[in-house]
Amino acid sequence: EPEVTQTPSHQVTQMGQEVILRCVPISNHLYFYWYRQILGQKVEFLVSFYNNEISEKSEIFDDQFSVERPDGSNFTLKIRSTKLEDSAMYFCAGSPSGETQYFGPGTRLLVL
Amino acid sequence: AQSVTQLDSQVPVFEEAPVELRCNYSSSVSVYLFWYVQYPNQGLQLLLKYLSGSTLVESINGFEAEFNKSQTSFHLRKPSVHISDTAEYFCAVSDSQGAQKLVFGQGTRLTINP
Repeated sequence: EPEVTQTPSHQVTQMGQEVILRCVPISNHLYFYWYRQILGQKVEFLVSFYNNEISEKSEIFDDQFSVERPDGSNFTLKIRSTKLEDSAMYFCAGSPSGETQYFGPGTRLLVL
Repeated sequence: AQSVTQLDSQVPVFEEAPVELRCNYSSSVSVYLFWYVQYPNQGLQLLLKYLSGSTLVESINGFEAEFNKSQTSFHLRKPSVHISDTAEYFCAVSDSQGAQKLVFGQGTRLTINP
């Protein structure tokens, strides 16, 4: 059964550096999402993406964040200048119809 | 705005005992409801969902949940748990109109003791 994949599984970076988190959704998915989970806190919505544009974003998703689907398969989340508080597990999700979302295994980001 | 409350942050039970993980939501619109499970060091896996139709939904590994609109609840139950059910369980809600974001509860850590 196809699965959503994410790379890298772990990323350690210095504060102020740019990071790109990558996701490969299931091929028939049309809707894409990023969520994050800070240690000990709820899973929080960041952004949704459909038809090559952002459909909704949360207050967390400020100008430091961007998403892209550059080649029709990968779905990336870029953080331009990381802050300590960006340390979290980042989950990518996809959906064929927008009803049910299927999650990847996550990327654990640690900002030092 | 929607919100989800999972009333228990941790639930310890003995193997083969029944368990109920509680979930209440608030929403001004009709909703879809989900339970996701996160096993240690893994991602979020869909356990079961309510989109429409029968209010009682089941998973392949013996869990069930019932959508109760009047009580705005979607509690998860299993009549007899196994050690392998040890995980964190997340209840989530989304607006049923359009491809909407999921709003998650804070999670319930289920620990099964032998």
